[in-house]
Amino acid sequence: EVQLVQSGAEVKKPGESLKISCKGSGYSFTSYWIGWVRQMPGKGLEWMGIIYPGDSDTRYSPSFQGQVTISADKSINTAYLQWSSLKASDTAMYYCARALGYCSGGRCPSDYWGQGTLVTVSS
Amino acid sequence: DIQMTQSPSSLSASVGDRVTITCRASQGIVNYLAWYQQKPGKVPKLLIYAASTLQSGVPSRFSGSGSGTDFTLTISSLQPEDVATYYCQKYSSAPLTFGGGTKVEIK
Repeated sequence: EVQLVQSGAEVKKPGESLKISCKGSGYSFTSYWIGWVRQMPGKGLEWMGIIYPGDSDTRYSPSFQGQVTISADKSINTAYLQWSSLKASDTAMYYCARALGYCSGGRCPSDYWGQGTLVTVSS
Repeated sequence: DIQMTQSPSSLSASVGDRVTITCRASQGIVNYLAWYQQKPGKVPKLLIYAASTLQSGVPSRFSGSGSGTDFTLTISSLQPEDVATYYCQKYSSAPLTFGGGTKVEIK
């Protein structure tokens, strides 16, 4: 069974750093792109970026380029999303999602999603 | 970047009604279009990809159509369990932009 299990909820202060994780199981982790999606409270879905764990090829949305870093450790089947300096506006639910099948450059919809990690940034 | 515009932003319909949601791309995306359903407090679920291909396990009352810039998601007979927000997503090129969402409620 394919599963993406994300790390737990976080409460941080502005300016702090954070790294959240997404562990894949039940499939070949290195063969499928994994993306990250933000959902701010009461708002829609925003695509942040995507990584191919096999070679760490990464693509970012221009809206998130430079604001976050996406990485992966294929030895432990885990993808990451990290911030070096959080802002209150980073408060949101963050989902990881696996791409459906083989895709060139990560250009695929997502068929399996993690349960979400709620990040709250408040002073 | 290509923008995705959904309409309406919300709708209310009766059980058994036919419901249609529209998604328009600011440039042509061939058929690189997916639809997701997100029920309140839940994780998004893939319904349709390649504009009209039903994901495994999705009820046949859901269907998708369109190509180029204009796409539709149709629920042939609305059921109470279909209360959700529906999103389109283009994946022709990065960024894989989502539409703004359409909230579907029961009248």
